[in-house]
Amino acid sequence: SAVISQKPSRDICQRGTSLTIQCQVDSQVTMMFWYRQQPGQSLTLIATANQGSEATYESGFVIDKFPISRPNLTFSTLTVSNMSPEDSSIYLCSVEDLSPNEQFFGPGTRLTVL
Amino acid sequence: GIQVEQSPPDLILQEGANSTLRCNFSDSVNNLQWFHQNPWGQLINLFYIPSGTKQNGRLSATTVATERYSLLYISSSQTTDSGVYFCAVERAGGSYIPTFGRGTSLIVHP
Repeated sequence: SAVISQKPSRDICQRGTSLTIQCQVDSQVTMMFWYRQQPGQSLTLIATANQGSEATYESGFVIDKFPISRPNLTFSTLTVSNMSPEDSSIYLCSVEDLSPNEQFFGPGTRLTVL
Repeated sequence: GIQVEQSPPDLILQEGANSTLRCNFSDSVNNLQWFHQNPWGQLINLFYIPSGTKQNGRLSATTVATERYSLLYISSSQTTDSGVYFCAVERAGGSYIPTFGRGTSLIVHP
């Protein structure tokens, strides 16, 4: 199984600023995803991070607000831009093997926006 | 898209009790996983189980793909079992995009 690390593990940010979250995997993976989990809620997929090309965003999420990079098969970043208190959530990176299609999650980044 | 419903939404147990969590899904799937999210937010893989039955210690899971449901059994519950249990599925023939249920929140009292 893949081992995933995320940085930072938590942060408190001011309204209007941006935060970049890093996700590092210990092996090359095809599929990488970014999720948001608002307090007391389930996981919502933000986007699929595509290596070497633009991410594929889910309905309700846009590149200007959540720019994503994936320069190689082991690393990705998610930026939360122009933050507001509504962005306070846990942000989770995940990867999926293709055979079998088992998904693994990083430890998450707990973001609080004041 | 595929719908995933988990029940019950909340569950409170005394230590030592057994419980069954259910996941219903609205379409054929080629992937189903159960996760436990501990109180610190970490999501832990419990089972990859698109069909059949698996057991791991006090936990076991059964997926009946033809009837579109999966069950997670917790026996002799412990306080460390507390947290939220999520079911996630991928629709057969679709893209590799997992869809999560709303979860079952479990509290185990000593």
